[in-house]
Amino acid sequence: SQQGEEDPQALSIQEGENATMNCSYKTSINNLQWYRQNSGRGLVHLILIRSNEREKHSGRLRVTLDTSKKSSSLLITASRAADTASYFCATGRSGNTGKLIFGQGTTLQVKP
Amino acid sequence: EPEVTQTPSHQVTQMGQEVILRCVPISNHLYFYWYRQILGQKVEFLVSFYNNEISEKSEIFDDQFSVERPDGSNFTLKIRSTKLEDSAMYFCASRQGVGNGYTFGSGTRLTVV
Repeated sequence: SQQGEEDPQALSIQEGENATMNCSYKTSINNLQWYRQNSGRGLVHLILIRSNEREKHSGRLRVTLDTSKKSSSLLITASRAADTASYFCATGRSGNTGKLIFGQGTTLQVKP
Repeated sequence: EPEVTQTPSHQVTQMGQEVILRCVPISNHLYFYWYRQILGQKVEFLVSFYNNEISEKSEIFDDQFSVERPDGSNFTLKIRSTKLEDSAMYFCASRQGVGNGYTFGSGTRLTVV
């Protein structure tokens, strides 16, 4: 698989439920970021977790990072219809360029 | 909240024509990027720009592509002779420093016909 692979590719849940998306990567990283994209729109930065961090919270979002397994998860608690979007993980490496490598994304549908 | 602004939002161009995509990054940001997303595919890195020069570019960023920061505020991507396969959403992004998250613009949808 390529750097930054998410699963599942698509997820459909009811409003109020929790949504969990996973991301795996192959090379060493400096940080891992999660982005959201509404259909046909730009990318919105959600959260950044550094390689020396294991868990981070931001509002209803919880991100974990396991560098030994080269994986991360994004949990959205108490989902809302407005959370419907595509979610991407992107890995960043050390150095000034800051190039991000994106995964294919998980499409989340939250039904009201 | 500060935004990265991209213009135009949509551009249709004839194959072989030159296009310039424009971006105004956040004013105190130091690192600038272009990414593209072909419809239904993942977001791909094109080029990074720091200290008035390209710091890294991908294989996609061939001689047909160039970037400029002509006046300290705008950051442009030029495609000299567009091909059909250049049709994609092009995103500009900037960040303040190493270890910061990016701010992406809303993108320019380029359609080459």
